[in-house]
Amino acid sequence: QQQVKQSPQSLIVQKGGISIINCAYENTAFDYFPWYQQFPGKGPALLIAIRPDVSEKKEGRFTISFNKSAKQFSLHIMDSQPGDSATYFCASNTGGFKTIFGAGTRLFVKA
Amino acid sequence: NAGVTQTPKFQVLKTGQSMTLQCAQDMNHEYMSWYRQDPGMGLRLIHYSVGAGITDQGEVPNGYNVSRSTTEDFPLRLLSAAPSQTSVYFCASSPTTGELFFGEGSRLTVL
Repeated sequence: QQQVKQSPQSLIVQKGGISIINCAYENTAFDYFPWYQQFPGKGPALLIAIRPDVSEKKEGRFTISFNKSAKQFSLHIMDSQPGDSATYFCASNTGGFKTIFGAGTRLFVKA
Repeated sequence: NAGVTQTPKFQVLKTGQSMTLQCAQDMNHEYMSWYRQDPGMGLRLIHYSVGAGITDQGEVPNGYNVSRSTTEDFPLRLLSAAPSQTSVYFCASSPTTGELFFGEGSRLTVL
């Protein structure tokens, strides 16, 4: 069963535009919601994360919006750049381990 | 600081052969885990460990074995390789805060 559902599968955005990726989770025990960025041939790396006691977290051009009642969270990339082209994964866990991932979104930013 | 080191980076096996993927971390993290990455399916958790001597199954454990005799090492054993196990395998370690630190991956092909 897929506990974390991610959309869209792929996304093409113009340089300077906003990229939005969405995730929905099922397990209400999840208490940590990270986003990972992966470049080809590399392992994923943490981009930004949020805990359910806040509704939004911003780090530079990256923002997580969190809706606890809807069990949804999203990643917004402002002023998208070609260097942001990568695969993005949302994830969730409880107590810091057994992290479950979404299926991933391939982002391409056109110059 | 090496972080998470995986070996080998590439491996080709014949159906029925066994092998071990090695993973070592030097960050003194308690949690370690193994994931497989397949196109369109994201990262799926195979096995994880919350400390030396303690392991548990993830989402897709069948055909794999793990042990955790030290904090640093968490090898993944394929008992009898099958073509369905062709994948990219990632080892990760994490502190109790939940952030995963990934290795560079091991690409396995089973013929």
